[in-house]
Amino acid sequence: GAGVSQSPRYKVAKRGQDVALRCDPISGHVSLFWYQQALGQGPEFLTYFQNEAQLDKSGLPSDRFFAERPEGSVSTLKIQRTQQEDSAVYLCASSVDRGYEQYFGPGTRLTVT
Amino acid sequence: QKEVEQDPGPLSVPEGAIVSLNCTYSNSAFQYFMWYRQYSRKGPELLMYTYSSGNKEDGRFTAQVDKSSKYISLFIRDSQPSDSATYLCAMSLNAGGTSYGKLTFGQGTILTVHP
Repeated sequence: GAGVSQSPRYKVAKRGQDVALRCDPISGHVSLFWYQQALGQGPEFLTYFQNEAQLDKSGLPSDRFFAERPEGSVSTLKIQRTQQEDSAVYLCASSVDRGYEQYFGPGTRLTVT
Repeated sequence: QKEVEQDPGPLSVPEGAIVSLNCTYSNSAFQYFMWYRQYSRKGPELLMYTYSSGNKEDGRFTAQVDKSSKYISLFIRDSQPSDSATYLCAMSLNAGGTSYGKLTFGQGTILTVHP
């Protein structure tokens, strides 16, 4: 497709459940970023991939958060044992080079009940 | 204190007005400056991208960066109702050959342009 796609668009999880969020970047884009956006706030960095290598995971809030990009294309963000504070929009962005011009997907809105 | 400060508004203007949106930042190492537009329930859309200080113009949009004051601005001329959205400033470091574009965002300013 022409842009970054994310699925599912909406996810409701019960507290304690595991969730997996998918990102399909723009074809050929080397860099892939995950951000978390709380209601009324700007996005906050979670993690960065260059091809299949995860070069920065300093923004992941806890060890319950895990991301992968095994073939350097599609990426999955996994959250284990979800908590209410994990409720947010999770945005994926990709870039053709090292990420100074990033193109965002529509996000996955996660609600933990 | 956050690294990037942005007045959340909301800002309401009549159609045709000139809109000024601003951000201040504390980290003098930021070198790349962007403005994103975000419509409700959509992802951010890149509007303007500037490296270091100076001005950049694209149609009705002008971005200004003043690194000495750690202050960036976005001006929208002849504003339209379709410009109603949240505007996010974002910035990134340039730490040399191994750096990459990890973005630090402002909170976003909610703009409404009424007919």
